[in-house]
Amino acid sequence: ELKVEQNPLFLSMQEGKNYTIYCNYSTTSDRLYWYRQDPGKSLESLFVLLSNGAVKQEGRLMASLDTKARLSTLHITAAVHDLSATYFCAVDRRASGSRLTFGEGTQLTVNP
Amino acid sequence: DGGITQSPKYLFRKEGQNVTLSCEQNLNHDAMYWYRQDPGQGLRLIYYSQIVNDFQKGDIAEGYSVSREKKESFPLTVTSAQKNPTAFYLCASSMGTGTMDTQYFGPGTRLTVL
Repeated sequence: ELKVEQNPLFLSMQEGKNYTIYCNYSTTSDRLYWYRQDPGKSLESLFVLLSNGAVKQEGRLMASLDTKARLSTLHITAAVHDLSATYFCAVDRRASGSRLTFGEGTQLTVNP
Repeated sequence: DGGITQSPKYLFRKEGQNVTLSCEQNLNHDAMYWYRQDPGQGLRLIYYSQIVNDFQKGDIAEGYSVSREKKESFPLTVTSAQKNPTAFYLCASSMGTGTMDTQYFGPGTRLTVL
C-alpha cells in the first residue's frame, strides 16, 4: 500500500524567510503532483514532476523530485502572506492508471 | 469558459437519506474522479471513471455509487449505507490517465448529515 507523508504538517513563518516542505512516499513512482488549497476552497494544481531530478519553479515556489530517495520538496523563497494555504503532494500509482494518493497536507501560515 | 462545476455547494440531509452530488465538466476530458476530504486530512479516492459507461472503485467506495452515462457528467450518490458521510466532496477530471494528465478539481460540495 502506498503511503505519502508530508512534513511538517503545520508551518508558521515570517514574511521574507525561506523554508522547505518535504513529501516522502513509500513505493516506486515517477509522477508526483503539488496542489494548493485555500480555506474552504478546491485544489489548484501547482506542479507536475515526471522524472527523477525534475525541478519546476513558479514565482517563489520551487518543487523537485528524487525518485531514488522517494522524496519531493517544495521550497518557499522569501515568503509573502499570499502564500498562506495548505499544500498537498500527491503520488500517482501508475500501475493502476491515474490514481492519486495524497499526503495529509502542510498548513502554511505566513505572518507579516 | 471551460471548467468543472459541482452542485450544490452546500447540502444538508437527514440521516438515512440517499443524496446525489452533481459533477459536470466541459473540458472534453475522458477521466473523472470523486474524492472525499475530511477536516485536516488529505483527499481519498472514492470512485473513478476512465471512459463513458465504465468506472472503478477507489480506496473508500463502500456506501457510495456512481454512474457515467455521458462524458461530461459523473454524479455521485451517497447512500444510507455510508456510515459517516459528512465531508467535503471534490470532483476532478483529467484528459486521460497518461503521463501528462494532471487532474483538475471542481469547487466541491460540502455535505452535512444531521
